[in-house]
Amino acid sequence: SQQGEEDPQALSIQEGENATMNCSYKTSINNLQWYRQNSGRGLVHLILIRSNEREKHSGRLRVTLDTSKKSSSLLITASRAADTASYFCATVTISGGSYIPTFGRGTSLIVHP
Amino acid sequence: GAGVSQSPSNKVTEKGKDVELRCDPISGHTALYWYRQRLGQGLEFLIYFQGNSAPDKSGLPSDRFSAERTGESVSTLTIQRTQQEDSAVYLCASSLSFMGAGELFFGEGSRLTVL
Repeated sequence: SQQGEEDPQALSIQEGENATMNCSYKTSINNLQWYRQNSGRGLVHLILIRSNEREKHSGRLRVTLDTSKKSSSLLITASRAADTASYFCATVTISGGSYIPTFGRGTSLIVHP
Repeated sequence: GAGVSQSPSNKVTEKGKDVELRCDPISGHTALYWYRQRLGQGLEFLIYFQGNSAPDKSGLPSDRFSAERTGESVSTLTIQRTQQEDSAVYLCASSLSFMGAGELFFGEGSRLTVL
């Protein structure tokens, strides 16, 4: 079953604009991660935010986490055509020694040059 | 190699045949995961290995699916009597234990097509 659900499912913007993707989840988590997937490729880890953190930055990426609302957002600033990809959030709840990231369905981002 | 390696990258098989998919994780990564991704969908967890502990098989969709891992190295995912609904990309990932960084490193996937 899906724990995290991304919104929107698809996003189309012009180069230079900001892109915001949201992730909602249902149960308490230890951390939340964002991944990127180019078409036909594996996933690449972007950023991990722990449950006691509220915001993290990495280059043009900004991730926020609101545990009271069970939601996270990924902001890509000054987007580039090369940012075109699918973006997935993955939630992690450590249970009984298992550490299994559970992925959402992803947001497909298209950045037009 | 430096990354997670999967083979074959593409596999076309006939319904009813068995297939084996292989994953070479990053050296030193004690955790290994198999996920399935159907076209245009998210990742569906299949199985998780952590060191010498018993694997978490809770995501395997049927008894036609099985996986093994030799120590902390190579893993093989086997699908017996393949069905058309098994067509998907099978992704392997490895990670340091959850006491480590926590991020997963993915291979490029094995695309399985069942005719």
